[in-house]
Amino acid sequence: GENVEQHPSTLSVQEGDSAVIKCTYSDSASNYFPWYKQELGKRPQLIIDIRSNVGEKKDQRIAVTLNKTAKHFSLHITETQPEDSAVYFCAAPRGYQLTFGKGTKLSVIP
Amino acid sequence: GAVVSQHPSWVICKSGTSVKIECRSLDFQATTMFWYRQFPKQSLMLMATSNEGSKATYEQGVEKDKFLINHASLTLSTLTVTSAHPEDSSFYICSGRRRGLYEQYFGPGTRLTVT
Repeated sequence: GENVEQHPSTLSVQEGDSAVIKCTYSDSASNYFPWYKQELGKRPQLIIDIRSNVGEKKDQRIAVTLNKTAKHFSLHITETQPEDSAVYFCAAPRGYQLTFGKGTKLSVIP
Repeated sequence: GAVVSQHPSWVICKSGTSVKIECRSLDFQATTMFWYRQFPKQSLMLMATSNEGSKATYEQGVEKDKFLINHASLTLSTLTVTSAHPEDSSFYICSGRRRGLYEQYFGPGTRLTVT
């Protein structure tokens, strides 16, 4: 089955700086990689995803890059703001199920 | 949009009783619904996958007789925690998926506390 490793587990950045979170996966057949943001006590929200036919996707201040050869993908948040503080989860597919990473708690310090 | 609702948002029950949680897709047909549980400061752990009109598939270690899942329609799935015990206290979250697509949309979760 799919195994997803996520690093770091915690990340603190100054407001305005960039944040990068990395995930690796084990199944070379995987072709869909979403990122979710979860605020305390709330539902995970899909913030961006990428499919294996592209190497990078950007949506305003967030971007995701994918390296299929190395089997890793990363979330990049630029110009971080306090409201970006949350737990971020990456995931990779196992059939139509998703296997989630352990999460990264991002703290943006004003 | 792709909105999923969950009810109740929180529930407190006594040990030995049963609790039912409803998950509804409000603006799309959820061919597949997933049930997760999440302990504090931990990741989402898949409990079971249910396809409309068929029996749920449970992950290893999840007792199917304890966590009863019904997916009677394309917009409704229910999870019943039977004979609840304090160790069942957790945050239960459902998600829905459209046919042929990977994206999952999550409900707001149900906080279950068993006393």
